[in-house]
Amino acid sequence: GQNIDQPTEMTATEGAIVQINCTYQTSGFNGLFWYQQHAGEAPTFLSYNVLDGLEEKGRFSSFLSRSKGYSYLLLKELQMKDSASYLCAVLDSNYQLIWGAGTKLIIKP
Amino acid sequence: EADIYQTPRYLVIGTGKKITLECSQTMGHDKMYWYQQDPGMELHLIHYSYGVNSTEKGDLSSESTVSRIRTEHFPLTLESARPSHTSQYLCASSRTGGSYNEQFFGPGTRLTVL
Repeated sequence: GQNIDQPTEMTATEGAIVQINCTYQTSGFNGLFWYQQHAGEAPTFLSYNVLDGLEEKGRFSSFLSRSKGYSYLLLKELQMKDSASYLCAVLDSNYQLIWGAGTKLIIKP
Repeated sequence: EADIYQTPRYLVIGTGKKITLECSQTMGHDKMYWYQQDPGMELHLIHYSYGVNSTEKGDLSSESTVSRIRTEHFPLTLESARPSHTSQYLCASSRTGGSYNEQFFGPGTRLTVL
């Protein structure tokens, strides 16, 4: 079966750095997405990785290792507004998105 | 800014009623999707479409139906709502081709069935 694992919840301090991990087992791989979802709102796109390595976009970076079935999202200089759920999703061989349950990130002052 | 709209945003109805959740996008995307999401839980794909007159069922068994008569419009219908249908329904769209299939989401419809 297809499976995406991410921690349920993480807590970090304002101004700090946090790394949210995602491991996946899917039938095929055509890329990995990270989305941010604030409570009660729709997900918004953060990043896409299809090749191994690190993609940096401002305070957010995303890393992929296809051989390990592993990705992480790195958030730097955390702000209170970063409190949200972060969803990992993999595009499988049929170009269908398989979603993880999301990691709820709590930022404390 | 993604232009994808859903109405209504909130709906409270009684058991047995027929309802239609509307979704429209102005981006000319071929692919459209309906997801169901309970609070704090993952997204479950219930229907998707690759274009006009194309509809497919997703991973989550659903008693709803969809239609795709126009590219921009992808309504979801529940013939007889039940309390188990209480959830948030998210519509999304993506383009075909290009380097990746980023999905743009609408604001969602929060449905409560009494």
